[in-house]
Amino acid sequence: DSGVTQTPKHLITATGQRVTLRCSPRSGDLSVYWYQQSLDQGLQFLIQYYNGEERAKGNILERFSAQQFPDLHSELNLSSLELGDSALYFCASSPPAGGPNTDTQYFGPGTRLTVL
Amino acid sequence: AQSVSQHNHHVILSEAASLELGCNYSYGGTVNLFWYVQYPGQHLQLLLKYFSGDPLVKGIKGFEAEFIKSKFSFNLRKPSVQWSDTAEYFCAVSHSGGYQKVTFGTGTKLQVIP
Repeated sequence: DSGVTQTPKHLITATGQRVTLRCSPRSGDLSVYWYQQSLDQGLQFLIQYYNGEERAKGNILERFSAQQFPDLHSELNLSSLELGDSALYFCASSPPAGGPNTDTQYFGPGTRLTVL
Repeated sequence: AQSVSQHNHHVILSEAASLELGCNYSYGGTVNLFWYVQYPGQHLQLLLKYFSGDPLVKGIKGFEAEFIKSKFSFNLRKPSVQWSDTAEYFCAVSHSGGYQKVTFGTGTKLQVIP
């Protein structure tokens, strides 16, 4: 158990719909990262937040958005869903810079999204 | 921008064979290097990491990796693999003092045949 929690574990929805995935980082971690993992595209970095602010953007579609709240939990919003959005979505957190585990990412169990 | 290359996409070995998975990165400054493992149906977890000091890093489950600065490489090794090592392995790099941006390689799927 990494200490990172993600809900829900599974999500089945239809094309065109909107869903929200939730992530709670490990206690004390300020950075949250979102990844998408699918069979055809592998592990893709989507976006990173640090203490509430967006830090880095990867291959995130315009239909997707994220935010990190004052309590440091994060939500990933996926809208106008397409069949190709079916994937595992992982959240990871990492400790503040400067410590012995700087940049080490602790991954949550993931949310499996199925778009029908 | 930093990047990570894992040239082996799929490796098949017999049990007891030796393993070496390649990882090369591109970044001119000081880096932190990681190997993560993802067992079937599970999330990624840290295998080992290099921040500074001895370039030969030992991780869990008998894995080790060697940082060769001149070659921009951080190859993962294990002298004798087991069936339970069947997993996908990801190399990752961040640069020291950066905004905690970590770049992952595309992963190498390792299949160990009993």
